[in-house]
Amino acid sequence: GAVVSQHPSWVICKSGTSVKIECRSLDFQATTMFWYRQFPKQSLMLMATSNEGSKATYEQGVEKDKFLINHASLTLSTLTVTSAHPEDSSFYICSAHRPRQSNTEAFFGQGTRLTVV
Amino acid sequence: KQEVTQIPAALSVPEGENLVLNCSFTDSAIYNLQWFRQDPGKGLTSLLLIQSSQREQTSGRLNASLDKSSGRSTLYIAASQPGDSATYLCAVLGAGSYQLTFGKGTKLSVIP
Repeated sequence: GAVVSQHPSWVICKSGTSVKIECRSLDFQATTMFWYRQFPKQSLMLMATSNEGSKATYEQGVEKDKFLINHASLTLSTLTVTSAHPEDSSFYICSAHRPRQSNTEAFFGQGTRLTVV
Repeated sequence: KQEVTQIPAALSVPEGENLVLNCSFTDSAIYNLQWFRQDPGKGLTSLLLIQSSQREQTSGRLNASLDKSSGRSTLYIAASQPGDSATYLCAVLGAGSYQLTFGKGTKLSVIP
């Protein structure tokens, strides 16, 4: 079954509005979650690292005021795309790492297809 | 800076064939390497995780190998099926980091 759940799976919004995407770890606590963006036929691009109880760490070139990240609990991180524009249309995926033996395994949400019209 | 390369970018095979997907990385200081599968418009499904101290992992018809010193990994799929058609992504987790570095993927098509 799913280890990381992402919601919604798709959303269409009007230009200028804000959209919130949720990412939940279902059977483990995740102090760190990751948000990626994927363009068509491209691999995943890390946008930011979400840290529980503290500010997110953004990758170079990612606007922190546009992509607001909140990690208020050990099982939930949210990404809010503020004042969305058509160029923000993309596939957004979150991930969390679950400890496994002496290592860690990454699990991904189902992804959210955002279309801004 | 870690770079991950996957070859080939696309592969088309008839059903029943065995196939190998390749992944190479530039920095051998890794915690682990994961192979994922991504169906169109979907998230990533973890297939196999190889720890840096391991040389291979097997799950069903899938076998992944890791040669950390040479910076290479392969994903072997036996007796391919149309349901195996997807994009396969390789990702490495750097030592001392929680960040994954992904390759661009290999798009596999298995023809019935």
